Amino acid sequence: AQSVTQLDSQVPVFEEAPVELRCNYSSSVSVYLFWYVQYPNQGLQLLLKYLSGSTLVKGINGFEAEFNKSQTSFHLRKPSVHISDTAEYFCAVSDQGSSYKLIFGSGTRLLVRP
Amino acid sequence: GAVVSQHPSWVICKSGTSVKIECRSLDFQATTMFWYRQFPKQSLMLMATSNEGSKATYEQGVEKDKFLINHASLTLSTLTVTSAHPEDSSFYICSARDPGTSGYEQYFGPGTRLTVT
Repeated sequence: AQSVTQLDSQVPVFEEAPVELRCNYSSSVSVYLFWYVQYPNQGLQLLLKYLSGSTLVKGINGFEAEFNKSQTSFHLRKPSVHISDTAEYFCAVSDQGSSYKLIFGSGTRLLVRP
Repeated sequence: GAVVSQHPSWVICKSGTSVKIECRSLDFQATTMFWYRQFPKQSLMLMATSNEGSKATYEQGVEKDKFLINHASLTLSTLTVTSAHPEDSSFYICSARDPGTSGYEQYFGPGTRLTVT
């Protein structure tokens, strides 16, 4: 069975500082990986995805993530955060099968302080 | 990009009544839609997978008679919470799979806040 672990429930950071949100997954099969962002009382917005190819994936709003197969990780990074980046971030995995289900991590709240 | 809408955005109902939530894909045809439930400050829990023209597939522990899902067209899936009780109060989010892309991305609706009094 697949699972996703986001060890940090909350990450406080000052504006313009870099940030890394950690995501580790476990799966016995090849996977696709996603990061979503959720603003209060809203649905989820896709930040970026890894399906194949380059392990460094660039997404919207200046975010990027690197797929590391040996460490089963897909950490999200941004070199300089803004107040508006304050939100909940979810890592998700889908196996390369036919169910298309997404398994979500528990989420990390990014809190950007001025 | 792909847009998914939900209606209503929030609803308050009395205990024992039923509530229907609609999920629509606005600019693509979604053969598969998903329904999630999210409790405050928690992650999304997949409730069921809805396939157009066939019965929904429910996750373990989800009562199919309480949460009725219908996917009658390629752009519309509905979730009906029957005989709602206060413990059904939650944030319900739908998503749709766009087969025109890789097929594995899900596009999410804005969510529906259900409060049962």
